[in-house]
Amino acid sequence: AQSVSQHNHHVILSEAASLELGCNYSYGGTVNLFWYVQYPGQHLQLLLKYFSGDPLVKGIKGFEAEFIKSKFSFNLRKPSVQWSDTAEYFCAVNAWGNDMRFGAGTRLTVKP
Amino acid sequence: GAVVSQHPSWVICKSGTSVKIECRSLDFQATTMFWYRQFPKQSLMLMATSNEGSKATYEQGVEKDKFLINHASLTLSTLTVTSAHPEDSSFYICSADHRDRDYEQYFGPGTRLTVT
Repeated sequence: AQSVSQHNHHVILSEAASLELGCNYSYGGTVNLFWYVQYPGQHLQLLLKYFSGDPLVKGIKGFEAEFIKSKFSFNLRKPSVQWSDTAEYFCAVNAWGNDMRFGAGTRLTVKP
Repeated sequence: GAVVSQHPSWVICKSGTSVKIECRSLDFQATTMFWYRQFPKQSLMLMATSNEGSKATYEQGVEKDKFLINHASLTLSTLTVTSAHPEDSSFYICSADHRDRDYEQYFGPGTRLTVT
């Protein structure tokens, strides 16, 4: 069965620090990969997605993620975080014909 | 474009009553809609997948007789929590796939259900 692991439950950073959130999945076939963000009191929004092609994907708000097939990973990165990036981040995996599976989420707190 | 709405945004009901939650894709057609449940400080758990005009597919452990899903049109799906109990209190989120955008899922704002 598909599963998605996010190893960091809560990350606390200072503004301007670099961010990397880990995401690993377990599925051997072709997958579509997503990162969603949920700001406090708001609904899920898509940050970026990977379907095929260049494994380095750029999303909104300066986020990017790299798909490493050999490691079954899709880590999210941002070179310099801002206070406004404080939110919950969810990695999700969708295999063709199957449903979206979410990781447990990582709470990011950025201190001003 | 690609907005998904949910109604109501929050509801309080008494134990034993039923509650209906609507999920609408406002500016696109969704072949498939998904219902999730989110407990505090936890991730989204898929409850069921509904396709327009057919029966919903429920995830293991989700009671189909308790969580009734109807997907009558390409823009509307409803989730009815029947005979609600306090343990059904949760945040229910729907999403809809946009068939013109590689079936990317767009999420609704969620419905907070509190059963007293």
